[in-house]
Amino acid sequence: GQQVMQIPQYQHVQEGEDFTTYCNSSTTLSNIQWYKQRPGGHPVFLIQLVKSGEVKKQKRLTFQFGEAKKNSSLHITATQTTDVGTYFCAKNTDKLIFGTGTRLQVFP
Amino acid sequence: DAGVIQSPRHEVTEMGQEVTLRCKPISGHDYLFWYRQTMMRGLELLIYFNNNVPIDDSGMPEDRFSAKMPNASFSTLKIQPSEPRDSAVYFCASSFPRPGNTIYFGEGSWLTVV
Repeated sequence: GQQVMQIPQYQHVQEGEDFTTYCNSSTTLSNIQWYKQRPGGHPVFLIQLVKSGEVKKQKRLTFQFGEAKKNSSLHITATQTTDVGTYFCAKNTDKLIFGTGTRLQVFP
Repeated sequence: DAGVIQSPRHEVTEMGQEVTLRCKPISGHDYLFWYRQTMMRGLELLIYFNNNVPIDDSGMPEDRFSAKMPNASFSTLKIQPSEPRDSAVYFCASSFPRPGNTIYFGEGSWLTVV
């Protein structure tokens, strides 16, 4: 189908624990984007990765693009309750195809 | 600046009725996308337009669904007749010319067909 696979599907963590979601494609990606969707909200752009092996950071969030440009990851250090939501990767060709998403729940 | 504007925000309709969802993209954006989100199928791209022209409608589920973009500031997604399995959140999104640009989503139209 259209979608890019993400694991895990769900993750429940205690506040302060780390969290990682992984995005995998069977084909080489030209670039990849990450979005966050809060419960009841709409997807909001976080970042785009383009280069092989690229690593970008946004405060407690670290994004990585694999060397083969077939996978990507998002790591959150010391989660907070404000991190709750679903995180999507999206492969970017002539159109944006979203991954299956990872729903993060953070318990205080 | 106004973002992508969708209406209605919520709609409950009876099976068999026609449903029309509306979208106003961000001014100056050349691309407009319609996505559908459900628990089972996630975020699916239904159709997208470039400069008001439909480019790829391969995600449109069936003939009951149609989308139009009569001008750069307005698009509709129509379902006729609606069925309970069409219940979902329908998002409209827009972006500047591709490739690689961020797309901006509207708040979504929450559709329930009973």
